[in-house]
Amino acid sequence: QVQLQESGPGLVKPSQTLSLTCTVSGGSISSGNYYWSWIRQPAGKGLEWLGHIYTSGNTKYNPSLESRVTISLDTSKNQFSLKLNSVTAADTAVYYCARDGNQRAFEYWGQGTLVTVSS
Amino acid sequence: DIQMTQSPSTLSASVGDRVTITCRASQSISSWLAWYQQKPGKVPRALIYKASSLESGVPSRFSGSGSGTEFTLTISSLQPDDFATYYCQQYNSYPWTFGQGTKVEVK
Repeated sequence: QVQLQESGPGLVKPSQTLSLTCTVSGGSISSGNYYWSWIRQPAGKGLEWLGHIYTSGNTKYNPSLESRVTISLDTSKNQFSLKLNSVTAADTAVYYCARDGNQRAFEYWGQGTLVTVSS
Repeated sequence: DIQMTQSPSTLSASVGDRVTITCRASQSISSWLAWYQQKPGKVPRALIYKASSLESGVPSRFSGSGSGTEFTLTISSLQPDDFATYYCQQYNSYPWTFGQGTKVEVK
């Protein structure tokens, strides 16, 4: 059973960079026809896909954030990461990592981590 | 971006009711549609993929149908555990996008 777990600071100052890591267990991040995604959800609101990375390292980002977001893969640690720069209060949300691919959407999710942007 | 519009936004129902939620895409997405269930403070749970395929472990009272631009999620007999918010999501064209959600509440 694949499991994902987000980690990173819960508080980030405005204009700084939000950095989160997702650790994958129960399977190799570099095998299979899978994409590794980041999704966020502001309190009381809906879900927004931020982007994903394929096992080859190819990435796709949501154009609404493309200039600020970077997703990377560390196969040696079975992890993938999110960096979102120049954050504002509007970036305050629960951030989820998830796996998609193989004709499925987001089959496996992390537990989510709340990131608050505040000085 | 493909806009996903769910209706209704809120649905009041009783245990045992047949419940149907509709999701419309702003352009054709073939069958590349998923449905999720989310309870307050919890992680979304995948229910349906590719419009009508049931995820492993999901009760058979959940079903999905549709293709192109119109899709439905049906709960054949609503159970107490089913009161939650449901989201549709397209994965036909980037960026992947979600509907705004449908809250199923107790009547």
